[in-house]
This record gives sequence, structure tokens and C-alpha cells, in this order.
Amino acid sequence: QVHLQESGPGLVKPSQTLSLTCTVSSGSVNSGNFYWNWIRQPAGKGLEWIGRIYTNGATFYSPSLRSRVTISVDTSKNQFSLKLNSVTVADTAMYYCVREPPGFWGQGTMVTVSS
Amino acid sequence: QAVVTQEPSLTVSPGGTVTLTCASSTGAVTSGHYPYWFQQKPGQAPRTLIYDTDKKQSWTPARFSGSLLGGKAALTLSGAQPEDEADYYCLFSNTGGGRVIGGGTKLTVL
Repeated sequence: QVHLQESGPGLVKPSQTLSLTCTVSSGSVNSGNFYWNWIRQPAGKGLEWIGRIYTNGATFYSPSLRSRVTISVDTSKNQFSLKLNSVTVADTAMYYCVREPPGFWGQGTMVTVSS
Repeated sequence: QAVVTQEPSLTVSPGGTVTLTCASSTGAVTSGHYPYWFQQKPGQAPRTLIYDTDKKQSWTPARFSGSLLGGKAALTLSGAQPEDEADYYCLFSNTGGGRVIGGGTKLTVL
């Protein structure tokens, strides 16, 4: 089974860039017919889909976040990453990486936006 | 962008059957939307129960099943157990290759 692990700073200042990485075990991020997703969840609220990258490098983003989001792949490290710029307190959430199919989730990493 | 509607809350008796649904504002949900169902318990990461409409993960209990029902994606729980009390979310394809997630259903087993 594929294991995904998110990592990155737990605290980001307002207006700065949030950067997270998802390390994938077992299998390459640029092979197979998979989508590599980022999903977030503010405390006490529902899940929000942020975006995803296909194994051929094509990216798809949530319309509400598209202007601030970049998802990319680092094949040398077998990782994919999320960059969200110009963050505000509203971006404070648990961030998860997910592989589709069949929906393998990481454990999530908490990011707080605060000065 | 589609708006996804799920029942905010449902209650099922132990041993009972309940169906959760997931509707799209843009029309019928089909297998081409590749719907997923996630289960999330308090303090835990979500886990996938169903993908691509009706496919199960290795850990998905047999009492859960996915289907399409009346233009919606559906998750049916037959023989509810206390441990099935959780939040359930659906996800499916949106226009342009993106995905969209429903607001979730809080399932109580009582």
C-alpha cells in the first residue's frame, strides 16, 4: 500500500507563502495513471479540495484558490508539493495529500497562519 | 463550479440501514464523475471507503456500498454499527478536470 506523508512549516505569517511537501513511498509520482491531490480542512469544518496534479504534469485547481496555488512534482525526491501564496488567517487548516485512485490519504499536517 | 449537496445529518438505529446521497447542482452525478466517499472520525484523518462509484478499499467493511441513485451518488450502510458514527464526505469530478467535495453528512448511530 502507498504511504503518503505531509511535511512543512506549521506556522506561516500572513501575506507569506505556505509551502508543503508530500513524500510518497512505493511507486513513482510520475508513473501510472494517478492524480496527486491536496485537500484541506479548517478546524471544525468540512473538507475543501485545493487542487491536483496528474502523472503527466497537468494541473487542476479549485477556482476559488487558482490565483494563489501551485502544485508541482519533484521526481528526484518522489514528492509533490503545494505552494499557496498571500496567505491569510482563513488559510489556517489541516492540509492533506491524497492519491487518486483509489484514495490513499496522508495523516495531514496542521498549518496556522498568524503573525 | 458545481455545488455539492449532502444531507447535513442522519440518524440510524444499530443494525439499521441508511443511505447517504450526494447531489450536484449541475445535473445528474454519473459514473463519469468518479465519485468517492470518505469517512472521518473525530481527531482522525479521513479515509476512503468507496472510489469510482462502487469500488471498495481493502479496509472497507462489507456493510458499506456505493451506487448511483436517482441522479445522485449514494453510500448505503446496511447493518449499522456504533463504530460507523462519523462524518461522511463525497467527492467527484468538476468541470475542467477539477474535483469538488460535499459539505459532509454527520451520521449518528442511535
